[in-house]
Amino acid sequence: EDKVVQSPLSLVVHEGDTVTLNCSYEVTNFRSLLWYKQEKKAPTFLFMLTSSGIEKKSGRLSSILDKKELFSILNITATQTGDSAVYLCAVEITQGGSEKLVFGKGTKLTVNP
Amino acid sequence: NAGVTQTPKFQVLKTGQSMTLQCAQDMNHNSMYWYRQDPGMGLRLIYYSASEGTTDKGEVPNGYNVSRLNKREFSLRLESAAPSQTSVYFCASSEGRAVVSPLHFGNGTRLTVT
Repeated sequence: EDKVVQSPLSLVVHEGDTVTLNCSYEVTNFRSLLWYKQEKKAPTFLFMLTSSGIEKKSGRLSSILDKKELFSILNITATQTGDSAVYLCAVEITQGGSEKLVFGKGTKLTVNP
Repeated sequence: NAGVTQTPKFQVLKTGQSMTLQCAQDMNHNSMYWYRQDPGMGLRLIYYSASEGTTDKGEVPNGYNVSRLNKREFSLRLESAAPSQTSVYFCASSEGRAVVSPLHFGNGTRLTVT
């Protein structure tokens, strides 16, 4: 069974802290790993990772994939209250000739002022 | 550019009633998906359509049917709603097989079945 596990499930930090969110996976036919941020409504896309060891960066957020150890991390430096959200990790797999995403349960991040 | 549009935003049904959730995308995407999101369960795939004219079951298809009406539109139907179908439903689309691309989500439909 394809599985994506995120940890921790929830995290409370103070503004300015640095956080690391974890995502491990066990899937067949891996295609890519994606990170999404979900505030009140739809998940919004952050990163897509397909190759090991290449860091993707956007402002204070960065992410890296390790395809040998089957995990990814999402780092947020100098956190702000606007970073409070649920962060979703998803792995894209190929199954029956089609592509599907398998989601983890998410990490709820709360950044306090 | 509207992206993925879902209607309605909210709906309350009584057990046994039926309804159709509508989804349309204007990005010329090939693949479309319906997910449900429940507390502590993450996003779970109900049905997906890899291309116009095809649909396939996802992880939790029971109690649902779908129609890929054309390339733009993908609807989700509940024939006889049950309280277990109370959830937030998200439609999503992506470019599809040939391109490794992220999903784009609609804003969701919050459904309550009493």
